[in-house]
Amino acid sequence: QSVLTQPSSVSGAPGQRVTISCTGSSSNIGAGYNVHWYQQLPGTAPKLLIYDNNNRPSGVPDRFSGSKSGTSASLAITGLQPDDEAHYYCQSYDTSLKKVFGGGTKLTVL
Amino acid sequence: QVQLQESGPGLVRPSGTLSLTCTVSGGSIGNYYWNWIRQSPGKGLEWIGSLYDSGSTNYNPSLKSRVTISVDTSKNQFSLRLNSVTAADTAVYYCAREGPVTTHLDYWGQGISVTVSS
Repeated sequence: QSVLTQPSSVSGAPGQRVTISCTGSSSNIGAGYNVHWYQQLPGTAPKLLIYDNNNRPSGVPDRFSGSKSGTSASLAITGLQPDDEAHYYCQSYDTSLKKVFGGGTKLTVL
Repeated sequence: QVQLQESGPGLVRPSGTLSLTCTVSGGSIGNYYWNWIRQSPGKGLEWIGSLYDSGSTNYNPSLKSRVTISVDTSKNQFSLRLNSVTAADTAVYYCAREGPVTTHLDYWGQGISVTVSS
């Protein structure tokens, strides 16, 4: 049971928009700690996708965006592409548990 | 471009000690936090612990009694030791860099698969 809760899977057709939620509590996201998102393609290491809630590292397309409100955060992907098929993880900081990850969401492009 | 590379044994006996090293190239180990994360087969990511270049450490409470993370600044390396391993410690282990004023992990190693088995 992960401290941050994500849906186990989401799907969408090419060109569509999908969102992935990340729900925490008052000891992590709700305490004001930033949320980061990672993309993990099959057989590879996670890659930083969004940092500090809504910032993209250099090279990440603006089709990816993040938001945060209260005890939750969301990752949105617009203009879905087949190459977006991957696992996505949220991460934050928890006052008791230090660094915490969500359980991960598998994105399937139909 | 910063690169991280994990190294160490791919097989560890039950009750033994898992020892891994992460070598940092393309940048100094100074002024950053350095992390170990693992991923059990078919599972999500689990943070193991982190170390600042000064040697100060933070550990996942669930692993704290068995984990030691240390640094060798002269070699630009940091290391992980996990004692009393069981099959539950079988995973891909990643090392990653964390910025000094934030909590995100911007550079990751490719990962090393470690199996605990007799």
